[in-house]
Amino acid sequence: DAGVTQSPTHLIKTRGQQVTLRCSPKSGHDTVSWYQQALGQGPQFIFQYYEEEERQRGNFPDRFSGHQFPNYSSELNVNALLLGDSALYLCASSLVVRAEVGYGYTFGSGTRLTVV
Amino acid sequence: AQTVTQSQPEMSVQEAETVTLSCTYDTSESDYYLFWYKQPPSRQMILVIRQEAYKQQNATENRFSVNFQKAAKSFSLKISDSQLGDAAMYFCAYRSFTSGTYKYIFGTGTRLKVLA
Repeated sequence: DAGVTQSPTHLIKTRGQQVTLRCSPKSGHDTVSWYQQALGQGPQFIFQYYEEEERQRGNFPDRFSGHQFPNYSSELNVNALLLGDSALYLCASSLVVRAEVGYGYTFGSGTRLTVV
Repeated sequence: AQTVTQSQPEMSVQEAETVTLSCTYDTSESDYYLFWYKQPPSRQMILVIRQEAYKQQNATENRFSVNFQKAAKSFSLKISDSQLGDAAMYFCAYRSFTSGTYKYIFGTGTRLKVLA
């Protein structure tokens, strides 16, 4: 049973550019959440997608946007990249029904984004 | 707003010994879930153990157990018979429920070193 798959694993971009990160959730999961993990920090919630809609958003600017497709996969887009956007971006999937009874996320291994 | 604090940036333990990682949190909610996640160098966050707030019994998963003190808002992780493979970053997480969805709030992590 495939877990959460993220691509690419590493990425280097220049300030001002745009980037798209991709996530395929664990088979059977319907909810995708994105987190940003800066070096030496814990993950910070960016947003969550369910039924192709953004359900909740963390304290991130509008430069961060996302999308969920009918097959539940998701993309995270970041426009006008800043040096401070350099981080590990983690995707986590869950099944909304199981989440209601406290089952945790399944995380991917992340995309390491470096902005130069 | 909920917060999670891990006051030990780094801990060391001798192989086969026991170590306790500390976590405190702040919330006004009465029912919630708490989690410990492990992040090895592979970067994937792995669920170690979870605790539902209304359950007074401390959760246990093999060599991992928690000491949940709801009144004190404390949630520590005890690792018994430490193994070299336990070396990783450990994150304490609080699951909050807002706007009909869940998100996780993570602490800053504790790096655990296991000495042979």
